[in-house]
Amino acid sequence: GAVVSQHPSRVICKSGTSVKIECRSLDFQATTMFWYRQFPKQSLMLMATSNEGSKATYEQGVEKDKFLINHASLTLSTLTVTSAHPEDSSFYICSARVPSFPGLAGADTQYFGPGTRLTVL
Amino acid sequence: AQSVTQPDIHITVSEGASLELRCNYSYGATPYLFWYVQSPGQGLQLLLKYFSGDTLVQGIKGFEAEFKRSQSSFNLRKPSVHWSDAAEYFCAVETYGGSQGNLIFGKGTKLSVKP
Repeated sequence: GAVVSQHPSRVICKSGTSVKIECRSLDFQATTMFWYRQFPKQSLMLMATSNEGSKATYEQGVEKDKFLINHASLTLSTLTVTSAHPEDSSFYICSARVPSFPGLAGADTQYFGPGTRLTVL
Repeated sequence: AQSVTQPDIHITVSEGASLELRCNYSYGATPYLFWYVQSPGQGLQLLLKYFSGDTLVQGIKGFEAEFKRSQSSFNLRKPSVHWSDAAEYFCAVETYGGSQGNLIFGKGTKLSVKP
């Protein structure tokens, strides 16, 4: 249980184009999903917290107009990198948090997707 | 502010040897504590977690971790390392009490395994 998928796993695009990354919780409903960015040989940097049906909460320094997040359902969140530039090239990872509920397996725990490698030429 | 420290950037152990990865946290109360493992180019896999109760927790792949409140530590251990354990290991804490469950990660410890 608690499987999170991410699509695509790898994308190469030209500078100025937009790229959409999907994050899905496959076997549970996630009211909260998270988007991280990871630079080579570094830890994960939280970009934003996404709650179903409401606006995402962005971390300081993350441009909300550049990184559009939509959490339209309890199993799907999307990250759109708009007008991508080479400096946006990175490894993007999403996670979904199993809600807090007594007796629920995996409750209060974030499960991560396999990541998306974005390369902007 | 809350923080997580993994003092060892890179550790090399021989296959079959024991392993301990260190993790210290700074937080006013007892947070939720996690260890994740990441293979190159992959996402993070949950190894184990501690919320409350028994301070020694068992995880997958033969890993265990011990929560020590007095030392604000949550060290990860494995009695006998396998070559497939080579990966990056991240300790994380979740602050709660009104937050949305944000994780704060340490910088990670890269584990190399010698044959």
